Amino acid sequence: ETGVTQTPRHLVMGMTNKKSLKCEQHLGHNAMYWYKQSAKKPLELMFVYSLEERVENNSVPSRFSPECPNSSHLFLHLHTLQPEDSALYLCASSQDLAGSRLGTDTQYFGPGTRLTVL
Amino acid sequence: EDQVTQSPEALRLQEGESSSLNCSYTVSGLRGLFWYRQDPGKGPEFLFTLYSAGEEKEKERLKATLTKKESFLHITAPKPEDSATYLCAVQAGSNYKLTFGKGTLLTVNP
Repeated sequence: ETGVTQTPRHLVMGMTNKKSLKCEQHLGHNAMYWYKQSAKKPLELMFVYSLEERVENNSVPSRFSPECPNSSHLFLHLHTLQPEDSALYLCASSQDLAGSRLGTDTQYFGPGTRLTVL
Repeated sequence: EDQVTQSPEALRLQEGESSSLNCSYTVSGLRGLFWYRQDPGKGPEFLFTLYSAGEEKEKERLKATLTKKESFLHITAPKPEDSATYLCAVQAGSNYKLTFGKGTLLTVNP
């Protein structure tokens, strides 16, 4: 596997279900991100981790719970979601967060998980 | 607040018909401007980063340029496989956050 991988690629869940999205990066990067992409809207940053510590929680509802057990893996735990949470959820990684050498904060994205909440 | 506006929202070209996509931005202290390509149902694919006005970068049929207020993505003699949504994003100062535009949906007809 190369780059950033995400599983599952598609997920359909009811409002009372609990599920998790998984992201793995094979690039040796130190920072990982969760984004939400809804139709006709720009990408929305949800969470940011650097060296396994959360550095951003962008006013995301508590029904979304991130977990970063190590610098290669990132999870997004979902529970009691709403239909408006249906979207493409994207994971990304970068060598470092901004502030270090130019170019090391370029974000590389995974293929995404298409989530449908019924 | 950082803002990114992409135009047009959608562009339809014939194969071989060159054109440009625009990304206008308002940001305090631009650190970098990023271009990504996104195919339907997939994640954005990194294309270019531009750091300062006057900088240009090329990749195959694509050329990105940057001024103090906007960036252009020039597509020369496009092919149907260039059809995708092209996203622009800016990064300001020492902030790691990317502010994205809504994208331009490019369709190249054979």
